[in-house]
Amino acid sequence: AQKITQTQPGMFVQEKEAVTLDCTYDTSDPSYGLFWYKQPSSGEMIFLIYQGSYDQQNATEGRYSLNFQKARKSANLVISASQLGDSAMYFCAMRDLGGSEKLVFGKGTKLTVNP
Amino acid sequence: SAVISQKPSRDICQRGTSLTIQCQVDSQVTMMFWYRQQPGQSLTLIATANQGSEATYESGFVIDKFPISRPNLTFSTLTVSNMSPEDSSIYLCSVHNREETQYFGPGTRLLVL
Repeated sequence: AQKITQTQPGMFVQEKEAVTLDCTYDTSDPSYGLFWYKQPSSGEMIFLIYQGSYDQQNATEGRYSLNFQKARKSANLVISASQLGDSAMYFCAMRDLGGSEKLVFGKGTKLTVNP
Repeated sequence: SAVISQKPSRDICQRGTSLTIQCQVDSQVTMMFWYRQQPGQSLTLIATANQGSEATYESGFVIDKFPISRPNLTFSTLTVSNMSPEDSSIYLCSVHNREETQYFGPGTRLLVL
């Protein structure tokens, strides 16, 4: 069964600094995808970045990058040059690509950006 | 990308009543998913809805409590039946049209009194 672990309930960062949000995963499927979402207080789930298990390079999307270490089963999200608007809940999720199609989520990390 | 809308955006309901949530997507998708997010918690999948077949429910969720319709490739409904305060949650519709994407609707905030 798939499992996502986010060990940081809350993180604080100063504006304009970089921050890393941790995510480890467990799956027996050799083919899977890893996702990060941002959920502001409004409740919407905003898709940030995707990493496929067979992708050779780490995914990047603007200020977001994914530090993918397959052997360690980790997929940490790095946010560079933090902005006040980055304050939100961040969820890591995964889907086994050869399986049920469902997305399994971690418990989330609450990020607070301080001015 | 896919644009997803949900109705209602929020509601306050009395216990014992039912609420039907609608999800509309701007493109045809094979699979639609319904998630629940209880207060302060992560997202949990309720069921997967395929057009033309019965929905597939996850462990802990049953059709009598959460009946789902999927009449076409762009629309689905989730009904929360015989509500209790424990059903107070955000309910989110989700779709994916490619392996590397999964999009969510804006959610329906439900409060049951």
